[in-house]
Amino acid sequence: NAGVTQTPKFRVLKTGQSMTLLCAQDMNHEYMYWYRQDPGMGLRLIHYSVGEGTTAKGEVPDGYNVSRLKKQNFLLGLESAAPSQTSVYFCASSYSGLARSSYEQYFGPGTRLTVT
Amino acid sequence: DQQVKQNSPSLSVQEGRISILNCDYTNSMFDYFLWYKKYPAEGPTFLISISSIKDKNEDGRFTVFLNKSAKHLSLHIVPSQPGDSAVYFCAASGNTDKLIFGTGTRLQVFP
Repeated sequence: NAGVTQTPKFRVLKTGQSMTLLCAQDMNHEYMYWYRQDPGMGLRLIHYSVGEGTTAKGEVPDGYNVSRLKKQNFLLGLESAAPSQTSVYFCASSYSGLARSSYEQYFGPGTRLTVT
Repeated sequence: DQQVKQNSPSLSVQEGRISILNCDYTNSMFDYFLWYKKYPAEGPTFLISISSIKDKNEDGRFTVFLNKSAKHLSLHIVPSQPGDSAVYFCAASGNTDKLIFGTGTRLQVFP
């Protein structure tokens, strides 16, 4: 049981390049999330998904796109990278439903992205 | 507009003593609160949570207190251990699909 995995762990991009970050979970969770962590800013939600084929915007969605074609995978895309997107990106997943335990999110190890 | 605030960026505590991490929130619709712990180069991991119908929840060395009237919660770690050195995030939810995180407090426990 690997939990939540993220690929790649590190990446350096030039301004204007594109890339896709992959998140995979093997816990059969319905909900998946993408966050970015910046110094002094905490974790900010970029996009999230409440099930296969669904996506929704979070707090800071501009410049990013996502897709959830399979329940276990959640992809985060940067079409034209900018230096402001230099950050550490975390993927998370959780159960769905009304039970309060669904609020507990399980995080991946993160992807450190630098845009020059 | 920061709905969840952790006003202390860092805290240093001697091993064996109590660590108290604080968190304030502004949204009265929040009804569930969580604490996460994060080590360098790792993702956050869930530590403890509390529902708004309670004012205290305890799990081993960790206790979370909730003061709804003050919109304040705190995490107490007793006794503190060097392995507790990490960044702690509080998070809140208002019966939605999302968590709102604070900015984190870096705890250092020294011998």
